[in-house]
Amino acid sequence: DVKVTQSSRYLVKRTGEKVFLECVQDMDHENMFWYRQDPGLGLRLIYFSYDVKMKEKGDIPEGYSVSREKKERFSLILESASTNQTSMYLCASSLGLSRAFFGQGTRLTVV
Amino acid sequence: ILNVEQSPQSLHVQEGDSTNFTCSFPSSNFYALHWYRWETAKSPEALFVMTLNGDEKKKGRISATLNTKEGYSYLYIKGSQPEDSATYLCAFRSNFGNEKLTFGTGTRLTIIP
Repeated sequence: DVKVTQSSRYLVKRTGEKVFLECVQDMDHENMFWYRQDPGLGLRLIYFSYDVKMKEKGDIPEGYSVSREKKERFSLILESASTNQTSMYLCASSLGLSRAFFGQGTRLTVV
Repeated sequence: ILNVEQSPQSLHVQEGDSTNFTCSFPSSNFYALHWYRWETAKSPEALFVMTLNGDEKKKGRISATLNTKEGYSYLYIKGSQPEDSATYLCAFRSNFGNEKLTFGTGTRLTIIP
């Protein structure tokens, strides 16, 4: 069965901390995505990657960076966490242009 | 930023009734339209991937239609059951550029027993 695993389900961090959210997929998918979900705003794309070391900005990349050193792992980095980054973060992967598979989500609270 | 809109934002439906909701998306540079169901405390799961104008897909009591020329898709649920309670998301994929998937804001469906 296909699997996308996010490292934490819940996370509480302090303002100004550097935060790493990890995502691993076991399906050999080229494409990986990071979204955030906020009430009334749906899923908004932060960054995506279509190959190892390749990345593209999504719609809301400010305050975030990403890393993809291996095909199966895509990390989202909050360089200096702020309270407006409190959100649900979802990782997804896909093979080519087919459907996306999602992780279980990380609910991040920045205090 | 591509504009993908869903309506209504939320919906309460009596168990046994049928319902439908809408996703509208850009009618140019269309590649695919996806529908996902997102149940509370679970991950979003794909229902349908639709690529052709006039496409109709069905999975049990749930079906979807696609009109790429006018830029909309409908999702229908027949004889709603409590387990249908979820947020339903559509996502648009363009044939221009990359494999980016742009989501709508979702329709939150609650089935009243």
